[in-house]
Amino acid sequence: EAQVTQNPRYLITVTGKKLTVTCSQNMNHEYMSWYRQDPGLGLRQIYYSMNVEVTDKGDVPEGYKVSRKEKRNFPLILESPSPNQTSLYFCASSRREIGEQYFGPGTRLTVT
Amino acid sequence: GIQVEQSPPDLILQEGANSTLRCNFSDSVNNLQWFHQNPWGQLINLFYIPSGTKQNGRLSATTVATERYSLLYISSSQTTDSGVYFCAVEPGDDKIIFGKGTRLHILP
Repeated sequence: EAQVTQNPRYLITVTGKKLTVTCSQNMNHEYMSWYRQDPGLGLRQIYYSMNVEVTDKGDVPEGYKVSRKEKRNFPLILESPSPNQTSLYFCASSRREIGEQYFGPGTRLTVT
Repeated sequence: GIQVEQSPPDLILQEGANSTLRCNFSDSVNNLQWFHQNPWGQLINLFYIPSGTKQNGRLSATTVATERYSLLYISSSQTTDSGVYFCAVEPGDDKIIFGKGTRLHILP
């Protein structure tokens, strides 16, 4: 089954404790992306990757890191989480040529 | 940067009614998608429609790229259509920009 998976689905952590949210896709998609969703603001792109070892900033990259060492995986790293990073996070992937995005189930992060 | 505006922000309809959701964008785009976010938070692809018209059952979409808007039509609404509808565009710089969504509530 073609899918995008994210782990964990729910996470409660404390300020400053480094965390990683994993994202994996099995569709051999070139393009992968992370978004955060906040009430009243819709989805905003954090980082995206055009292919292995190619990443770039979206609209809200501050406080986040990403890496793309393999085509299927695109982890999101919060080196020092802060309460303003409490949000619902989505990973997505697409074929570069077509651009139709497929989303993971979301990760709800709470930073206290 | 490009602005993406969706209207109306909220819509309450009786089951069986028809609705039209609009997405305006301020510059030319390479692609446009419509998504439905269900009450459990899952984002579901509806249409990939950079131009033209597509139909899928009770839903259809039209994008007029030259006039910078897209419309999503929902006919004979059902309670399962409730949720938030988003449009997202790719303006040619490889970034993806979402509108703030239209929240649709279908009453039984």
